[in-house]
Amino acid sequence: GNSVTQMEGPVTLSEEAFLTINCTYTATGYPSLFWYVQYPGEGLQLLLKATKADDKGSNKGFEATYRKETTSFHLEKGSVQVSDSAVYFCALSVRNNQGGKLIFGQGTELSVKP
Amino acid sequence: DAGVIQSPRHEVTEMGQEVTLRCKPISGHDYLFWYRQTMMRGLELLIYFNNNVPIDDSGMPEDRFSAKMPNASFSTLKIQPSEPRDSAVYFCASSSTGIPSTYGYTFGSGTRLTVV
Repeated sequence: GNSVTQMEGPVTLSEEAFLTINCTYTATGYPSLFWYVQYPGEGLQLLLKATKADDKGSNKGFEATYRKETTSFHLEKGSVQVSDSAVYFCALSVRNNQGGKLIFGQGTELSVKP
Repeated sequence: DAGVIQSPRHEVTEMGQEVTLRCKPISGHDYLFWYRQTMMRGLELLIYFNNNVPIDDSGMPEDRFSAKMPNASFSTLKIQPSEPRDSAVYFCASSSTGIPSTYGYTFGSGTRLTVV
């Protein structure tokens, strides 16, 4: 079956530290991969995506590279800010005759201290 | 575009009462999804629709839950009777044909349900 596994949180970092949130997946077929971010009290927002192997998604200083050989899509940012404090969800979608529903990981809470 | 609109934002109800959550998807989107989020279980897909037709309701926890989409611009999720374990944040999301696997979904801000 299709599934997503993320590193457990919470992750606590100081401002300007380097961030890595690990995400690995299991999928039949060729999935698209996503990172969503959820700020406190809000819904999920698409952060970045990659639709095929070796693609790099990027947005707001965050990056993730679709690694088919390691079935991974780790999220990275070179210098985090307090405003990046949120919950981050890795997700995959495999196109099928049901439209390609998203399957989410369990989420990783990030807390950035000044 | 106003995005996906959910109402109410917060709902507090007594056990045994009926609760109705509402969602207006983005105009032109033909997929609509209902998710539930709790600390214990994370994000769970409850049901989704394509062109107003339910496609997969395998995530609906039990018969107390029902969802409808009478037209392309409105959907409801009803819980009757409600129980304290239904307390969660319920999200609605929408997307377009061919898009879900490429661009993902647009989520609403959610309804925080508390059953006392």
